[in-house]
Amino acid sequence: QVPLVESGGGVVQPGRSLRLSCAASGFTFSSFVMHWVRQAPGKGLQWVALISDDGGTTYYADALGGRFTISRDNSQNTVYLQMDSLRPEDTAVYFCARGNVLVENNWFDPWGQGTRVTVSS
Amino acid sequence: SYELTQPLSVSVALGQTASISCGGHNIGYKNVHWYQQRAGQAPVLVIYRDDNRPRGVPERFSASNSGNAATLTISGAQAEDEADYFCQVWDSRAAVVFGGGTKLTVL
Repeated sequence: QVPLVESGGGVVQPGRSLRLSCAASGFTFSSFVMHWVRQAPGKGLQWVALISDDGGTTYYADALGGRFTISRDNSQNTVYLQMDSLRPEDTAVYFCARGNVLVENNWFDPWGQGTRVTVSS
Repeated sequence: SYELTQPLSVSVALGQTASISCGGHNIGYKNVHWYQQRAGQAPVLVIYRDDNRPRGVPERFSASNSGNAATLTISGAQAEDEADYFCQVWDSRAAVVFGGGTKLTVL
């Protein structure tokens, strides 16, 4: 049983929107902070956003400019990433990852296999 | 914003010891976590909170953190250890910060 499975990636034109999903299993989803991390082709890891266990706290990377929104549905064991006004530089593999119980000082374990997003006309 | 600096590449002979550094201002006051990412795969946690190994990670992986640098050490490197390695910390302003990554080559 794979703990985290992302979906929703694909090819999208600049300026359009896309919503990614990450389905969790095998652990008490509602007890953990969840994150999205992305990796552009040939580049390193870039943290995108986090959401607290109850969804009441969210943090985002400053570089996103407020275009992305993270949310979760604990009844469905799923975390989402709504991406608006997409740009070519958002092209990346997007990973979801489980954090810790508290928002601060998180590390990531496990990670999903990633879903690829390509922003191109 | 807080920055973490890693060497772009490190090479090690099979069975020898590899060290990968992660530099940051007063990083010794932060908890450092390390990830291994093999080609085409998702990252995997190999060290958390400076020097703790998750279950299933080989004992040859160890780490330390002090002053302005953290170090991941692989003692007796194996062919399967060839991968990219990333350090990561929590920063009170930026939340999550990753180092740029180090490509480890096992010769």
